[in-house]
Amino acid sequence: EVQVLESGGGLVQPGGSLRLSCAASGFTFSIYAMSWVRQAPGKGLEWVSAISGSGDDTYYADSVKGRFTISRDNSRNTLSLQMNSLVDEDTALYYCAKAPTYVWGSYRQGVSFDYWGQGTLVAVSS
Amino acid sequence: QTVVTQEPSFAVSPGGTVTLTCGLSSGSVSITSFPSWYQQTPGQPPRTLIYNTNSRSSGVPDRFSGSILGNKAALTITGAQADDESDYYCLLYMGFGIAVFGGGTKLTVL
Repeated sequence: EVQVLESGGGLVQPGGSLRLSCAASGFTFSIYAMSWVRQAPGKGLEWVSAISGSGDDTYYADSVKGRFTISRDNSRNTLSLQMNSLVDEDTALYYCAKAPTYVWGSYRQGVSFDYWGQGTLVAVSS
Repeated sequence: QTVVTQEPSFAVSPGGTVTLTCGLSSGSVSITSFPSWYQQTPGQPPRTLIYNTNSRSSGVPDRFSGSILGNKAALTITGAQADDESDYYCLLYMGFGIAVFGGGTKLTVL
């Protein structure tokens, strides 16, 4: 059974940092792209970042570019999101999501998700 | 910046058919936008319904179908059921690895 389990959320002050992790199981982690999606309280979904199966290619939404860094450890089946210079608007439930493809954004298969975690809550507040 | 547009809300009668759409504030949605659709009920993570315009995710009933209608992506639900009452989000590929969700449609079954 495919499972992705997020951890690392919490309360952080504006300007602070936090590192989210996503533990994956039930599939061959290294051959699938992975992504982070967030949802602010009472709001819609927002794509945050994605990484290819190899980890060589990374992508970011403009709202987090330069502040967040996505990475993966294929030997430990773990996805991470390092979040720096956090602002109030980063407050959200952060979902880890598996893509059904190795490449994120290929001209043949584009982008999508097939499995989602339950999310981990990040609250940025003083 | 291009915005992905969805109807904020929609209502359908039980057993009825409803089509939700997903467009762009500038330009047209096509198969190269690789539209996908997600269903979310309160307190739950999203569930994948449709990917690559019209491919159903595993376990999704064939009451759900995706297509391109004119210059928009569309999600059609036939034979609407009470538990279809959810928020529905589309996701479009903008190129260069960038994906954007629509604002979501709140579907009421009444």
